[in-house]
Amino acid sequence: DAGVIQSPRHEVTEMGQEVTLRCKPISGHNSLFWYRQTMMRGLELLIYFNNNVPIDDSGMPEDRFSAKMPNASFSTLKIQPSEPRDSAVYFCASSGQPNQPQHFGDGTRLSIL
Amino acid sequence: AQRVTQPEKLLSVFKGAPVELKCNYSYSGSPELFWYVQYSRQRLQLLLRHISRESIKGFTADLNKGETSFHLKKPFAQEEDSAMYYCALRSYSNYQLIWGAGTKLIIKP
Repeated sequence: DAGVIQSPRHEVTEMGQEVTLRCKPISGHNSLFWYRQTMMRGLELLIYFNNNVPIDDSGMPEDRFSAKMPNASFSTLKIQPSEPRDSAVYFCASSGQPNQPQHFGDGTRLSIL
Repeated sequence: AQRVTQPEKLLSVFKGAPVELKCNYSYSGSPELFWYVQYSRQRLQLLLRHISRESIKGFTADLNKGETSFHLKKPFAQEEDSAMYYCALRSYSNYQLIWGAGTKLIIKP
């Protein structure tokens, strides 16, 4: 298995633009997690899905952030409009069941100018 | 409140010296604890989990319920151990991982 696949690996865009981050979990995994990592705040859970259903989105910073999981093999995290303070590395992780270890993707390094 | 504390943001030791990365937790119940490692510009990887009681890359961690700690140890540090290390606790109520702030480990030659 190729593991969790995230795209793009790097994204540089101007503030105000819409940003879409993509994640393909490991095949057969039922739980998917979106994290944001910054120097200041470390690793923060934004939202997680179980069986494609959002379970907890309390970590989503504000309404500019939205996440979807239309099927078991694909999820998106969207920021609209983007702001410079959104610059961070965004990780996606999946697990077979919520109580199993999480496997992380390579992350998307997002820079908002 | 459920919390994971890694008191050291940065730990620097010489190659061959022992390493101990501290992790303390606050949790009402029986926790499940993990150590994840992130090498420079790479993905987070599971290093070990307390229920496995295994040694990975020479690292071990023992859950001490009395001291509510799960410190990561290695007797002889190697340069390739330089990385960010995160301690995490899994909540049985909602299975979310509660993360520590991470410790950057630098192994000096």
